[in-house]
Amino acid sequence: EVQLVESGGGLGKPGESLRLSCAASGFTSSSFTFNWVRQTPGKGLEWVSSIDSGGRFIYYADSVKGRFTISRDTAKNSVYLQMSSLRAEDTAVYYCARGSFGSGTYRLDFWGQGTLVTVSS
Amino acid sequence: YVLTQPPSESVAPGQTARITCGGNKIGTKSVHWYQQKPGQAPVLVVYDDSARPSGIPERFSGSNSGNTATLTISGVEAGDEADYYCQVWDTITAVFGGGTKLTVL
Repeated sequence: EVQLVESGGGLGKPGESLRLSCAASGFTSSSFTFNWVRQTPGKGLEWVSSIDSGGRFIYYADSVKGRFTISRDTAKNSVYLQMSSLRAEDTAVYYCARGSFGSGTYRLDFWGQGTLVTVSS
Repeated sequence: YVLTQPPSESVAPGQTARITCGGNKIGTKSVHWYQQKPGQAPVLVVYDDSARPSGIPERFSGSNSGNTATLTISGVEAGDEADYYCQVWDTITAVFGGGTKLTVL
């Protein structure tokens, strides 16, 4: 069974850092792209970042570029999101989502249950 | 790139729901659709415009042409009540529509 389990969320102050983790199981994670997607409470989905299977192609939304860093550890079947210089507007549930390739694009075919990040002084 | 969805749609049980997703020449892109129920993570229900993942009922279908993609849910059931989001890739960036809340009357 494919599973993605996020952890590391919590309360952080503006300007502080948090590190989110996503543990993958039930499939060969090294073959897949991973994404972080966030959702402000009561609002829509916002893509944050993606990393390809080899960890070479990494992309960010403009809203987090220069502050967030995505990485992966194939040996641990895990993907990370290092969040720095946190802002109030980063408050959201953060989802880890697996990307599967087909017809020229990636679909996000499995999602974790999410971890809540709250940024407040 | 902007994807536009109606904020809400309502449908009676057993009827057909159609949720639209508008975007400039969206017909040239592959569109994916996600269902999200309250307190749960999104679930992929249609990908590459019209394909269904394993386990998704045949009642869910999709189409995409011109400037509009459409998610169609036939024979709507109470359990289909949820938020639905369309998504495309704009080069290296994933873009989501604002979401449509489907209410089953």
